[in-house]
Amino acid sequence: GQNIDQPTEMTATEGAIVQINCTYQTSGFNGLFWYQQHAGEAPTFLSYNVLDGLEEKGRFSSFLSRSKGYSYLLLKELQMKDSASYLCAVRGDYKLSFGAGTTVTVRA
Amino acid sequence: EAGVVQSPRYKIIEKKQPVAFWCNPISGHNTLYWYLQNLGQGPELLIRYENEEAVDDSQLPKDRFSAERLKGVDSTLKIQPAELGDSAVYLCASSLGGRADTQYFGPGTRLTVL
Repeated sequence: GQNIDQPTEMTATEGAIVQINCTYQTSGFNGLFWYQQHAGEAPTFLSYNVLDGLEEKGRFSSFLSRSKGYSYLLLKELQMKDSASYLCAVRGDYKLSFGAGTTVTVRA
Repeated sequence: EAGVVQSPRYKIIEKKQPVAFWCNPISGHNTLYWYLQNLGQGPELLIRYENEEAVDDSQLPKDRFSAERLKGVDSTLKIQPAELGDSAVYLCASSLGGRADTQYFGPGTRLTVL
């Protein structure tokens, strides 16, 4: 099975940087995904890591260390619209297992 | 390109009543998933289809839940009878298939059982 941990809540100021950590213990690993979910809406795909290292996509970056069972999502130049829940998800064989999500609140 | 479509968006029923949710995946996506998401939690897989075949339904409570994807495109998830604890958001997702593919989610159906 999968055990995925991420902080429940984080608060940051507009224009700042926030790092959301995710640790996992899995029985198999075929990649780690980050999704963004605004309240009442569908999760939307942000990033995918399967090899160690940093993947950068605009203001968002995601890092993976397979040996440590660790990933982080880095949000730069925070905007008010970035207030949402961020879900870390680990893919085993075919199944995607999600963490409970980190609610990020961006303050003016 | 249209995303995953789900209906209805909201449903309120009384306990012991039946309810059905419909999903139309992204065109060309062979793999379809139904998830349940409780408030403050991540989605949990209920069932996964490869075309019309249910290849993983180990988490589906089969005493009251059923699903079908008869022609390998649209899918329906049914609960009969509904219980109070079934109140949640039911998400449908689709993907092209394969181990490393990305799942794309629909807006979900928010079910309230009274």
